[in-house]
Amino acid sequence: DGGITQSPKYLFRKEGQNVTLSCEQNLNHDAMYWYRQDPGQGLRLIYYSQIVNDFQKGDIAEGYSVSREKKESFPLTVTSAQKNPTAFYLCASSMPNFYGYTFGSGTRLTVV
Amino acid sequence: GDSVTQMEGPVTLSEEAFLTINCTYTATGYPSLFWYVQYPGEGLQLLLKATKADDKGSNKGFEATYRKETTSFHLEKGSVQVSDSAVYFCALSKNYGGATNKLIFGTGTLLAVQP
Repeated sequence: DGGITQSPKYLFRKEGQNVTLSCEQNLNHDAMYWYRQDPGQGLRLIYYSQIVNDFQKGDIAEGYSVSREKKESFPLTVTSAQKNPTAFYLCASSMPNFYGYTFGSGTRLTVV
Repeated sequence: GDSVTQMEGPVTLSEEAFLTINCTYTATGYPSLFWYVQYPGEGLQLLLKATKADDKGSNKGFEATYRKETTSFHLEKGSVQVSDSAVYFCALSKNYGGATNKLIFGTGTLLAVQP
């Protein structure tokens, strides 16, 4: 079945470390997105990519980086510059004619 | 800028009660409107959508009508079940330049249905 796979489901990071969250899709979607979810704040857009080798900053890009070397993959790196990285991270994808996003099951990152 | 406002939760109902979750939006142009549902520990699933004024989206007993005159997209269900307990997100979609649209989400409304 087609879908989006995020891994790992749970991730623990020590302060000062960079960590990379994986997002892979086999839906042949062109666009991919990363959102951050915090309690009571809904979803906030971190980065998005419309095509391979191109990506744009969302509303809260500081302290994060991404790459889009393959259509299927859009990994997110949470750097040590991100001051409050503990959150639930969601990856999504869509097609240009856009009938809604397809979301992955999320990665819960905790800084210890 | 464009935004979505949802009623704050939690909304607590007994099984078989009628559900309304209010959603209003602010946007220029003609956005599409969506409701997503998130079960505990999972990602979001598309529940229903409407792409133009007066459209009604429906799925699994849930309905919402795109009201441009009141800029609203309220979610309703006639008889909720315990299995409907989840967080519900209202969202709008527009093209802000480029090939794809972006979704703007409300803050979500937690629904708890008691047996």
